[in-house]
Amino acid sequence: SQQGEEDPQALSIQEGENATMNCSYKTSINNLQWYRQNSGRGLVHLILIRSNEREKHSGRLRVTLDTSKKSSSLLITASRAADTASYFCATARGYNFNKFYFGSGTKLNVKP
Amino acid sequence: DAGVTQSPTHLIKTRGQQVTLRCSPKSGHDTVSWYQQALGQGPQFIFQYYEEEERQRGNFPDRFSGHQFPNYSSELNVNALLLGDSALYLCASREAGSGNLGTQYFGPGTRLTVL
Repeated sequence: SQQGEEDPQALSIQEGENATMNCSYKTSINNLQWYRQNSGRGLVHLILIRSNEREKHSGRLRVTLDTSKKSSSLLITASRAADTASYFCATARGYNFNKFYFGSGTKLNVKP
Repeated sequence: DAGVTQSPTHLIKTRGQQVTLRCSPKSGHDTVSWYQQALGQGPQFIFQYYEEEERQRGNFPDRFSGHQFPNYSSELNVNALLLGDSALYLCASREAGSGNLGTQYFGPGTRLTVL
């Protein structure tokens, strides 16, 4: 079963708009990571935020983490058609935080 | 520098058969994890190998087993295949010494279909 949940499940926007995806999880974590997956192939790592960080930026990406609410958000600014993909959050848990649990993903469609 | 590679790309098996999937990590990576991704779902953690030993395991039956070789490459074996084992199997590797904060690099996956 999935250990985290992203919402919305699907998001459709116009090119140039911002896209916000949310992730919630249930247990203590060491870090949270966001990944992108195109067309059911391998995942690409986007950004990692540690449990003691609240916000992180990487290019057009902004990630926030609220450990008190057990939630994170991924903001993609000025979206492009090439951003069309599924986005997943993953949390590191378990002994020595070596188990990674993925959510069910948000399918983003950016219309040109 | 080659990324994570997996073979084969696609595989079709029938119920009850056994399958072996292979993964070669990125150069300089020593930790390999395997995931199962059903259609429309997120990847589910199967297990992780480090120093040729299974270090962590997800909620998968013993039909799922693995191995890591001295060159850090890894195999995933699934016995007595069920229809529900049809999925994309992903391998991910992590750089030596990076610990649990290291970035996981994923391979393109093996699409397994069980008929």
